[in-house]
Amino acid sequence: GENVEQHPSTLSVQEGDSAVIKCTYSDSASNYFPWYKQELGKRPQLIIDIRSNVGEKKDQRIAVTLNKTAKHFSLHITETQPEDSAVYFCAAWVQGGKLIFGQGTELSVKP
Amino acid sequence: KAGVTQTPRYLIKTRGQQVTLSCSPISGHRSVSWYQQTPGQGLQFLFEYFSETQRNKGNFPGRFSGRQFSNSRSEMNVSTLELGDSALYLCATKSGGGQETQYFGPGTRLLVL
Repeated sequence: GENVEQHPSTLSVQEGDSAVIKCTYSDSASNYFPWYKQELGKRPQLIIDIRSNVGEKKDQRIAVTLNKTAKHFSLHITETQPEDSAVYFCAAWVQGGKLIFGQGTELSVKP
Repeated sequence: KAGVTQTPRYLIKTRGQQVTLSCSPISGHRSVSWYQQTPGQGLQFLFEYFSETQRNKGNFPGRFSGRQFSNSRSEMNVSTLELGDSALYLCATKSGGGQETQYFGPGTRLLVL
């Protein structure tokens, strides 16, 4: 099947804390997992991605981990800042060439 | 390089009408995908065009159709509009046909009255 489950749907953290968003996918042939950030009224922007040949990737305060066996991948944001507040979407390419998105996580970082 | 552009940015239509949306990809990008974004359903895949051919299709009724031109620009058409078609329609483009980074346009916000 083609399904990406994302949790939680909303997440509120204090500035400086860490935030973790988790996704699971169903297609074992998926090999590419991007994460997008969408600020209010703007287009989704790619923030980080990971391919199935690595287990973790970091870019400054953002990291993504992938467990292919369990079909899980997660986004980790450390030292959160108010400008990190946005909706975050995970996605997975499924067989046939479609990018399927999770339902989104609304992250709120309180100063 | 210029980014992905979409026209128009906003549109108001009434039930039963039809609408055509346009997406111009980043120069050199041959793949264009379309998504419908609504608050309750998130980002739903409509279809993908690559080199003027529809390669993938989501679970939308036949009222939703599209096409791609030789310059890779793509259009999406919705006929016999329903209230539930009100949404943000996003296109996303990438250079090739594989699993690679996809870049979104700003979207067209459609309101059906």
